[in-house]
Amino acid sequence: KAGVTQTPRYLIKTRGQQVTLSCSPISGHRSVSWYQQTPGQGLQFLFEYFSETQRNKGNFPGRFSGRQFSNSRSEMNVSTLELGDSALYLCASSFTGVWDEQYFGPGTRLTVT
Amino acid sequence: KQEVTQIPAALSVPEGENLVLNCSFTDSAIYNLQWFRQDPGKGLTSLLLIQSSQREQTSGRLNASLDKSSGRSTLYIAASQPGDSATYLCAVTPLVFGKGTRLSVIA
Repeated sequence: KAGVTQTPRYLIKTRGQQVTLSCSPISGHRSVSWYQQTPGQGLQFLFEYFSETQRNKGNFPGRFSGRQFSNSRSEMNVSTLELGDSALYLCASSFTGVWDEQYFGPGTRLTVT
Repeated sequence: KQEVTQIPAALSVPEGENLVLNCSFTDSAIYNLQWFRQDPGKGLTSLLLIQSSQREQTSGRLNASLDKSSGRSTLYIAASQPGDSATYLCAVTPLVFGKGTRLSVIA
């Protein structure tokens, strides 16, 4: 069974630009969660989508948004990039949601210059 | 607010040693606890999941225990190998991760 995939794996953007990251969950998983990982803050929850609806949301500004498609694939968008948005962005999928066992993708390394 | 702490932040041991990684959490109302491994710059690999009603789980050389009443979990690694070198994170569901213990196993 294929694992969680994320594209692209690496991105370099300039401050003020916007970026879209993609996550394809394990087949059959309907929940996709997004996390930001930085050396200082560790792993922080961004939001969770289940059946195309945002079900849980972390404490991030509105510049961070997401969506989920009918095939459970999810995208995360960050607008007006700031230097502090440089991080490893991880997505995780599960059958039922954030209370269930999480399976992570390899991540997208975003560098904002 | 749930907080998860992992001590020590870093650990270096000689090959072959048995070791224990610690994870503590402040709110015992958890659904389950999951241990992950992360190699540098990579995603997280799930190692063990302990349901809130369970006390321990085992997989190969790994054994994880859970004591909800004391807010603690331990990950025991037997006969450590250089390939075990990675950062180990614990997470309580929903949604809260520790910052991890960086393990180095020296050949």
